Amino acid sequence: EAQVTQNPRYLITVTGKKLTVTCSQNMNHEYMSWYRQDPGLGLRQIYYSMNVEVTDKGDVPEGYKVSRKEKRNFPLILESPSPNQTSLYFCASSKGLAGEGEQFFGPGTRLTVL
Amino acid sequence: AQKVTQAQTEISVVEKEDVTLDCVYETRDTTYYLFWYKQPPSGELVFLIRRNSFDEQNEISGRYSWNFQKSTSSFNFTITASQVVDSAVYFCALVNSGYALNFGKGTSLLVTP
Repeated sequence: EAQVTQNPRYLITVTGKKLTVTCSQNMNHEYMSWYRQDPGLGLRQIYYSMNVEVTDKGDVPEGYKVSRKEKRNFPLILESPSPNQTSLYFCASSKGLAGEGEQFFGPGTRLTVL
Repeated sequence: AQKVTQAQTEISVVEKEDVTLDCVYETRDTTYYLFWYKQPPSGELVFLIRRNSFDEQNEISGRYSWNFQKSTSSFNFTITASQVVDSAVYFCALVNSGYALNFGKGTSLLVTP
């Protein structure tokens, strides 16, 4: 089954404790990205990747890091999480650029930073 | 700059009513793509439709229909004979440069029996 998986689905952590949210897709997609969803703000892009070793900032990259060492994986790293990073996070992938086809979204990761 | 406006924050209808969700967009590009996504209470994002800027033909898929009008920069979504299962948050989104979906803030639709 074609899918984007994220882990963990739920995470409660404390300020400053480094964490990684994993994202993996099995569709051989070149393009992957991370979004965060906050009430009243909709979804905003954090980072995206056009292919292996190619990443760039989205609209709200501060406090986040990403890497793309393999085509299928695109982890989101919070080196020193803060309460304002409490949010619902979505990973997405598509075969081409964001507009060229459907973007497949993962199930989401709900993060709470205390 | 590009922007997507969903002016309706919340809509409540009774089952079997028709409902239209509005989406107005701004972009300077001539080539762009418009999307609608559904987010049910379970939280996942479900793709509904993708439309490019050169295709103004309206689309119907079962009880769902979309009206794309470049003259008014709108891409409205209508649900005919709404059902309780249609209750969700609906997002309209725009892509031009290809690097990101620019989402509107969403419209929360509640369909009551």
